[in-house]
Amino acid sequence: ILNVEQSPQSLHVQEGDSTNFTCSFPSSNFYALHWYRWETAKSPEALFVMTLNGDEKKKGRISATLNTKEGYSYLYIKGSQPEDSATYLCAPRQAGTALIFGKGTTLSVSS
Amino acid sequence: GAGVSQSPSNKVTEKGKDVELRCDPISGHTALYWYRQSLGQGLEFLIYFQGNSAPDKSGLPSDRFSAERTGGSVSTLTIQRTQQEDSAVYLCASSNGGDRGWYFGPGTRLTVL
Repeated sequence: ILNVEQSPQSLHVQEGDSTNFTCSFPSSNFYALHWYRWETAKSPEALFVMTLNGDEKKKGRISATLNTKEGYSYLYIKGSQPEDSATYLCAPRQAGTALIFGKGTTLSVSS
Repeated sequence: GAGVSQSPSNKVTEKGKDVELRCDPISGHTALYWYRQSLGQGLEFLIYFQGNSAPDKSGLPSDRFSAERTGGSVSTLTIQRTQQEDSAVYLCASSNGGDRGWYFGPGTRLTVL
């Protein structure tokens, strides 16, 4: 089972602040990395799937980068809004395996 | 509906009883996954079905846990002789087998008294 680390564990910011989270994972046998957003009482929602070293993805105010050689990915949120409050999960996988999730970063945005 | 469905949404049981949790994946999805989240923990992988291949059971925490997928569609996760540490939210997801289109169900919250 992969060892996936996410930091920080939790984060509290003010509306309008920009923030970023880190996901680190073993770089060997890397196949793909997923980012999910999980709001309380809802299903996890897919944000990004990244496979290539140097990948950058963007969806509105949220973006992510991937470094497969050193085994990390960053998720950025620009101009945080209260509706961004959720737990953000990263999940790498090796070929032919299921996603292995980190414990997540819980973001709270105050208005 | 078009999404992944799970039943029941909540299950309260007594220690020692057996429980069955059901997952209906998106039609046509060849891959089905079970995860659980215990209090204060991350999403823990349990088992993975891909087509007709033998399932990857490497995440099942004990032999009290088993799962089957009938006809390549519906899956049932069975927990025998439940223990209090089995209390968690059990999530099911399905995909087309690749990295596109992973969808999670709403989960079953299991409470073992």
